[in-house]
Amino acid sequence: DGGITQSPKYLFRKEGQNVTLSCEQNLNHDAMYWYRQDPGQGLRLIYYSQIVNDFQKGDIAEGYSVSREKKESFPLTVTSAQKNPTAFYLCASNHSPGRRGGEQFFGPGTRLTVL
Amino acid sequence: GQQLNQSPQSMFIQEGEDVSMNCTSSSIFNTWLWYKQDPGEGPVLLIALYKAGELTSNGRLTAQFGITRKDSFLNISASIPSDVGIYFCAGRMYSGGGADGLTFGKGTHLIIQP
Repeated sequence: DGGITQSPKYLFRKEGQNVTLSCEQNLNHDAMYWYRQDPGQGLRLIYYSQIVNDFQKGDIAEGYSVSREKKESFPLTVTSAQKNPTAFYLCASNHSPGRRGGEQFFGPGTRLTVL
Repeated sequence: GQQLNQSPQSMFIQEGEDVSMNCTSSSIFNTWLWYKQDPGEGPVLLIALYKAGELTSNGRLTAQFGITRKDSFLNISASIPSDVGIYFCAGRMYSGGGADGLTFGKGTHLIIQP
C-alpha cells in the first residue's frame, strides 16, 4: 500500500543529544514537509523540500536540520540547539508544487519527549 | 507565519446533533482543505475545495469554499461517537514559484457526549 511512514512512534531524548526522526514515502511525491504540533497551536512548518538535494526553511527552522538525498526520504534532526523540542512531529508529502490535487498527506507522527 | 482563525476552539455536543465550524483569513486562498486528527495520529484529509463558492460533500460532511476566498466552513450532520477528534482547516495559495505550503488553523476539538 502507498503511504507515508514515520519512525519511531515515540522517542525519548536526554538534554544535549541530537536525534533523527525518519520519514519515508512511496507515493512518488516530489515535495515533503516537516511540521511541529504543540497543544493549542496547530501545525507549524519546520522545513520543506520540493526536489531531491534541495530544501528550504519554514517558519520555525532554528534548532533543526534536514536532508533530502532520495526522493522517498526526508529525515529531520532535532539538535541540541532546539530549546524546547518536546512536541509531536508530523511529516507530509504532496505532488509537485502548483499542481491541482497537491493536497498534503500526513504520516502517523513521532512524539518526541526530552527527559 | 500566518495562521487562520478557526472557530470554535472546542465543541461539546450530544450524539446525533449537527456540528458547524469555520475558518477565516485576512488573505485569499485558491484551495481550502479540511483534515481530521485522532489522538496520537496524523491528520487525515476529509475534503478539498478548489473553487470559490464550491460546496462539496463526503458522507455526513459538507464543506464550502467562501465566495470571498477568505473563508470556509465544515458541517457534520447527525454526529456519531467516531466523529470525536480535532478538525483542522488549511488554506493553500500557490501563485507559481516558491513554496506550495499550507496555512493551518489551530483546530476545533469536537467532543461528543453520549
